[in-house]
Amino acid sequence: AQTVTQSQPEMSVQEAETVTLSCTYDTSENNYYLFWYKQPPSRQMILVIRQEAYKQQNATENRFSVNFQKAAKSFSLKISDSQLGDTAMYFCAFMIRNFGNEKLTFGTGTRLTIIP
Amino acid sequence: EAQVTQNPRYLITVTGKKLTVTCSQNMNHEYMSWYRQDPGLGLRQIYYSMNVEVTDKGDVPEGYKVSRKEKRNFPLILESPSPNQTSLYFCASRMDGQGGGYTFGSGTRLTVV
Repeated sequence: AQTVTQSQPEMSVQEAETVTLSCTYDTSENNYYLFWYKQPPSRQMILVIRQEAYKQQNATENRFSVNFQKAAKSFSLKISDSQLGDTAMYFCAFMIRNFGNEKLTFGTGTRLTIIP
Repeated sequence: EAQVTQNPRYLITVTGKKLTVTCSQNMNHEYMSWYRQDPGLGLRQIYYSMNVEVTDKGDVPEGYKVSRKEKRNFPLILESPSPNQTSLYFCASRMDGQGGGYTFGSGTRLTVV
């Protein structure tokens, strides 16, 4: 069974600073996807960034980037120039890339607060 | 607007009274899924569907039923709700080939008393 661990239940950072959220996962599979989802106070779940395990290049989306270390099974999210709107719960998630499998496994989340 | 629509957003019910949470998507997505979110546990998958009439259990299916009679709709049915099913529920959908990037609905806060 796959597991996803987010070891930082809460974090806070000053506006405009950079923050890194950590995520580790456990799997024996070689082909999979990793995701970061954001859940602001509105409770909407929003896909922030996606990484395919076979791609060595780290994914980036504007101020959001990941550090994907496949051998270490680590998938951290870096938020640059943090903004007040980044205040949210952030969930790391994992899915095996296999037809017929739709199991998306989430971590327990990191509550991020951006301080003005 | 492309979206996943869940109804209702809030629901308070009594133990044992059957209820249905509806989910509809307008993006012609093949895959749909239900999750429940509980404090400290993240999101856990209840059921998923790969297409019409094709459904399968997730990690926490006990006490829930689903059906997929039409591509756009994926209702979640609680035949006899119990207090331990008090939770925040999310429906989500994705297109085949999207590599697992789900679009989520706005959530349904269910309280069973």
